[in-house]
Amino acid sequence: GIQVEQSPPDLILQEGANSTLRCNFSDSVNNLQWFHQNPWGQLINLFYIPSGTKQNGRLSATTVATERYSLLYISSSQTTDSGVYFCAVWDTGNQFYFGTGTSLTVIP
Amino acid sequence: DAGVIQSPRHEVTEMGQEVTLRCKPISGHDYLFWYRQTMMRGLELLIYFNNNVPIDDSGMPEDRFSAKMPNASFSTLKIQPSEPRDSAVYFCASSSGQHTAGSPLHFGNGTRLTVT
Repeated sequence: GIQVEQSPPDLILQEGANSTLRCNFSDSVNNLQWFHQNPWGQLINLFYIPSGTKQNGRLSATTVATERYSLLYISSSQTTDSGVYFCAVWDTGNQFYFGTGTSLTVIP
Repeated sequence: DAGVIQSPRHEVTEMGQEVTLRCKPISGHDYLFWYRQTMMRGLELLIYFNNNVPIDDSGMPEDRFSAKMPNASFSTLKIQPSEPRDSAVYFCASSSGQHTAGSPLHFGNGTRLTVT
C-alpha cells in the first residue's frame, strides 16, 4: 500500500505563532484529506484537497500531486488548534491510508 | 445533518463477552468505513462497504470480528468473543462517491471499548 509520512511528529507553539505541517505520500493518489483529532478524540475533516490550494479561515492547505506532498498551514494558532493532525490518501486500490499524525500543542 | 452517529460512546466488558458496536452513516452516503485506533497502531481500516456490500474486509483482525450493513442507514461491528487486546477506540466513517471530486470522509465520535 501507499506510504504516508507526516512531519514533524510533534510540535509545540506559542499562541499566535504560525506553523506548517507536511504530508508526503509514496504513490499517485486521487483523494487526499486532512483531519484534526481534538483532545476529546473527535476526528474532524478539515480539507478535501487532491490538488491545488484551499483556505478555510486561519487554515489553508496545498497539495502538489506531481511531487507527492501536501502542506497544512495554521496561522495565528490558538489553543483550540491543539490535537493531532492526520493526512489521509485514497489510492486506486480503494483504501484510505492514514499517516501517523502530527501532534500539535499550542501554549497560551 | 446529524453527522455519523455511533453507539455506545463507551463500552466496558469482560473478556469472552460479545460486543456490538453500531453506526448510522450520513444520509445519502454510499460508503461506510470501520476503523480502529490504538496508540501502538494508529488508525487501522477494518472493513468498508459500498452500497451496503462489503468491499474489503482484509483489515478485520480475525474471525472473532464481523461486520454487517443490512441497509443504507445502519451498520454493526461485532466482536465475539472479546479479548483485552481488542481494547481501542472504534470509529465509523462515511462518505459519498470516493472516485469523484468533493467526497470528504466524515467520522463519528467513536466508541471507546475496554475489555477487562
